[in-house]
Amino acid sequence: GQQVMQIPQYQHVQEGEDFTTYCNSSTTLSNIQWYKQRPGGHPVFLIQLVKSGEVKKQKRLTFQFGEAKKNSSLHITATQTTDVGTYFCAGPTAGGTSYGKLTFGQGTILTVHP
Amino acid sequence: DAMVIQNPRYQVTQFGKPVTLSCSQTLNHNVMYWYQQKSSQAPKLLFHYYDKDFNNEADTPDNFQSRRPNTSFCFLDIRSPGLGDAAMYLCATSREGLRTQYFGPGTRLLVL
Repeated sequence: GQQVMQIPQYQHVQEGEDFTTYCNSSTTLSNIQWYKQRPGGHPVFLIQLVKSGEVKKQKRLTFQFGEAKKNSSLHITATQTTDVGTYFCAGPTAGGTSYGKLTFGQGTILTVHP
Repeated sequence: DAMVIQNPRYQVTQFGKPVTLSCSQTLNHNVMYWYQQKSSQAPKLLFHYYDKDFNNEADTPDNFQSRRPNTSFCFLDIRSPGLGDAAMYLCATSREGLRTQYFGPGTRLLVL
């Protein structure tokens, strides 16, 4: 079945260091989405990438979608303590009856030491 | 503000005692999802409604049931909670043409 793999599982950084999480799908994706979940909170949509090779930026966050539309990355420049949380990538679940369903990666738990 | 609301935020139940979690939305989205999320894991889809059509995941235990009486409300019933059902339960919504999902704050379930 379809799999979305995310690495690393955990990342500890000092405040000010950069952070990157990588996402790989076993199937080609029509789009990929990124969500952030703060500790004790719920997933919050960050961004969606649709085009092959697409790069989008949100302040210190840079999102990329691979040329083959099977991988993606999220890069945070100069992390801050407010960046703490779990970052999930998610792609549409394959299959004719799976309208609107998402397959989530395992998530990368980011901790930032002040 | 349009939003997804879950009640209660925390629920404590006893082993085997039925429990119902609720979700309501003011987004007028036609798709609603229930997820189970355990610590340090990704949300796991239990089932979803596309309008009134119910779609169960193949590995969702029979112990979990759902009802959607109207567009705005959706309920998750756990008929006989076991210790392994302790988790965060997340409700999410979406609509046709919108690929993203909007999550509610979740209900944290504790089974004693």
